Amino acid sequence: DTGVSQNPRHKITKRGQNVTFRCDPISEHNRLYWYRQTLGQGPEFLTYFQNEAQLEKSRLLSDRFSAERPKGSFSTLEIQRTEQGDSAMYLCASSSRDRGRYEQYFGPGTRLTVT
Amino acid sequence: SQQGEEDPQALSIQEGENATMNCSYKTSINNLQWYRQNSGRGLVHLILIRSNEREKHSGRLRVTLDTSKKSSSLLITASRAADTASYFCATEFRMDSSYKLIFGSGTRLLVRP
Repeated sequence: DTGVSQNPRHKITKRGQNVTFRCDPISEHNRLYWYRQTLGQGPEFLTYFQNEAQLEKSRLLSDRFSAERPKGSFSTLEIQRTEQGDSAMYLCASSSRDRGRYEQYFGPGTRLTVT
Repeated sequence: SQQGEEDPQALSIQEGENATMNCSYKTSINNLQWYRQNSGRGLVHLILIRSNEREKHSGRLRVTLDTSKKSSSLLITASRAADTASYFCATEFRMDSSYKLIFGSGTRLLVRP
């Protein structure tokens, strides 16, 4: 496995700007998750894709957030009109429940700072 | 909000000692997983225990699960300085078709050389 990759690793933006993050999951994994983590807390679920279908969104995901996974491969998470409260680490994870494997593999994250 | 509560929030031990972390959760689960996070390697899966299992071992790790008390513990034996990290339990709900993980707030472990 080449692992889950995320880009960029760090993003500093001014309040009100739009930002987009990318996640490349492990190639054979059909499930992809986005989580958000703030300092001193565990990750919180944002949204879930099975192949290209977005099947669940957390109430944490306001209408300023949108995620896509075209063709069931990489995924993007866009935040419009960023707010200071959006500052966090955004984590992507992928998994495959084939062969009874239930663990999720996490990428290194994108750290967003909104000034 | 976080599903799990972890105890203690922080733990400092001497190298070679054992470290025990506890996790409690609220609803029926498919499985419970433990993850480690440090600045160097991000969030890494350590071990998974299914709801019908009571104990599992992996190397220096031992996990127990008590579904009647909705709690789990992670024991790290013969700790090393490299075990310094934050440890999170994560639960997968029984009725959740997305199989998303709900994480606790974590235990920050410091192993002193």
